[in-house]
Amino acid sequence: QKEVEQNSGPLSVPEGAIASLNCTYSDRGSQSFFWYRQYSGKSPELIMSIYSNGDKEDGRFTAQLNKASQYVSLLIRDSQPSDSATYLCAVTGSSASKIIFGSGTRLSIRP
Amino acid sequence: GAVVSQHPSWVICKSGTSVKIECRSLDFQATTMFWYRQFPKQSLMLMATSNEGSKATYEQGVEKDKFLINHASLTLSTLTVTSAHPEDSSFYICSASASNVGNQPQHFGDGTRLSIL
Repeated sequence: QKEVEQNSGPLSVPEGAIASLNCTYSDRGSQSFFWYRQYSGKSPELIMSIYSNGDKEDGRFTAQLNKASQYVSLLIRDSQPSDSATYLCAVTGSSASKIIFGSGTRLSIRP
Repeated sequence: GAVVSQHPSWVICKSGTSVKIECRSLDFQATTMFWYRQFPKQSLMLMATSNEGSKATYEQGVEKDKFLINHASLTLSTLTVTSAHPEDSSFYICSASASNVGNQPQHFGDGTRLSIL
């Protein structure tokens, strides 16, 4: 089992709809969770950090964390073509020494 | 805030050349810096983690004598690919964190595209 798992996609969502990206992790003691966006040929950029159970909203983005079920998700409302990218989930293990990245989900927003 | 600058953006050089890549945190002190490699359409692969003033910790399978990492200050880390060969061609990305524990996010540089002829 991978430490951080994401569906590789591609996930195709119509413009204006809600895109839902999911991530599961294996280390129950994980404390810190991050979502990054990576455009093709570019480096990742941080979108959201979340540390406690529940929802955290920032503009069109909402991160959701459920530690009991060991999953973290990212919702993108009113999806735009510019949201088309690979989204990386990253989790800090219980040892807190390293962030583990998932392999990413490719999101495609169709006009 | 949290800007990481990486240079150069592109390098094209002959086989056998050594290439140095710089990674600087511009507006924060980077206790820990990370070096990644990414091949086309593949995920990030962590090569090594470095803390200021100490030796880098390399991931399994990464040759420390080939990929020399120096983290001499809290704002600068360098990666030197020694005697580069075509199979070393890849996208190299650094990131920096203000913490040596993982509760702070990593902030990425723009990456260096290395092509060895």
